[in-house]
Amino acid sequence: DQQVKQNSPSLSVQEGRISILNCDYTNSMFDYFLWYKKYPAEGPTFLISISSIKDKNEDGRFTVFLNKSAKHLSLHIVPSQPGDSAVYFCAASAGETSGSRLTFGEGTQLTVNP
Amino acid sequence: DSGVTQTPKHLITATGQRVTLRCSPRSGDLSVYWYQQSLDQGLQFLIQYYNGEERAKGNILERFSAQQFPDLHSELNLSSLELGDSALYFCASRQGPGDNEQFFGPGTRLTVL
Repeated sequence: DQQVKQNSPSLSVQEGRISILNCDYTNSMFDYFLWYKKYPAEGPTFLISISSIKDKNEDGRFTVFLNKSAKHLSLHIVPSQPGDSAVYFCAASAGETSGSRLTFGEGTQLTVNP
Repeated sequence: DSGVTQTPKHLITATGQRVTLRCSPRSGDLSVYWYQQSLDQGLQFLIQYYNGEERAKGNILERFSAQQFPDLHSELNLSSLELGDSALYFCASRQGPGDNEQFFGPGTRLTVL
């Protein structure tokens, strides 16, 4: 039962353009969502998060949008840079009752071409 | 650098053996989480400790166990190892209730031959 899904295994964009990574979830108990970036042979690095009471959170070049009714979130990176090339994981948490464990999507490999 | 450390970085062992993976959380963080990343399963939650006590369990095998010590470091013990246990094992920490972001260590790559 895949509660968090990232349907695009890969995405390729040109430097300077927008990268949009998508994530869908099924569990209505999820109340906090996070994006992590992962380089090979390293641990996931926290990027940006959003609470379910918001629909947008912005941090520099990164913006996360949450559509609760559609159970969908997306990460926008503008402008994209070659250093952004990595695997991006969407994760969700159902709060303290579940120990705030994270449920991860399968990841999307982003490649930003110079 | 997330501030979370894990040792060893790589571990190669044989089937049937037992290994211990170690994690030191960020300074001040009371919660420690263990995750497994395998090729076919993605990143899966195993177990969580908070201030020395087990708080939540995921799909952790009975052959696996963990503990968190008074100095807050944690160990994940894997026994009767099978080929399918080969994976990356990540530790993450967070400060505690009300703090939602988890910070991950670099991981331990376990290879069971």
